[in-house]
Amino acid sequence: QVPLQESGPGLVKPSETLSLTCTVFLGTISDYYWSWIRQSPGKGLEWVGCIYYSGSTNYNPSLKSRVSMSVDTSKNQFSLNLTSVTAADTAVYYCARALPGEVSVFDFWGQGTLVTVSS
Amino acid sequence: DIQMTQSPSTLSASLGDRVTITCRASQDIRSWLAWYQQKPGKAPKLLIYKASSLESGVPSRFSGSGSGTEFTLTISSLQPDDFATYYCQQYSSFPYTFGQGARLDIK
Repeated sequence: QVPLQESGPGLVKPSETLSLTCTVFLGTISDYYWSWIRQSPGKGLEWVGCIYYSGSTNYNPSLKSRVSMSVDTSKNQFSLNLTSVTAADTAVYYCARALPGEVSVFDFWGQGTLVTVSS
Repeated sequence: DIQMTQSPSTLSASLGDRVTITCRASQDIRSWLAWYQQKPGKAPKLLIYKASSLESGVPSRFSGSGSGTEFTLTISSLQPDDFATYYCQQYSSFPYTFGQGARLDIK
């Protein structure tokens, strides 16, 4: 079984909201930082943002006005919302866990989900 | 943002070769650097963190060095499973940023 699994629509229309959920199969979601990272041919790997199990967040300033993340510890899930999407947001989106005691070194990743922004 | 520049972007090597990939940061990141390996259609895999600490389960032929602005990833003796793309990532400050990647091909 994969340690993390992304889920959500693979196609989003321009100007709409991209919503993805990551389900964690690694055990408890508590005591770790969780991130979204995306990869597109044009921009390579881009860190989108992270959330602690307590709900505190940090976002990439390049996306900050459009991105939000949340966590549901009862379901062992965390989520990403990205508003007002354009074609530039087309990418493979990965969810990932940070090493114990770290914020942003990623030891476990989901398999990735391709999100295409197109009408 | 801190810019991460990898060189070379592509390299060709043979089984058993010693290979070195360089990553340069646009400002001092001390030792807050990680290396990942990615194969087509797969998620990146963590190899090295804190510039030189080997992630659990990663073969000892992989090693990392450097501090400040210049870092290297070395593979001591290339194995068939090592042909992939390698990325560096700084985690000294927000936003965390990645290099553009170095693709390692079979010669």
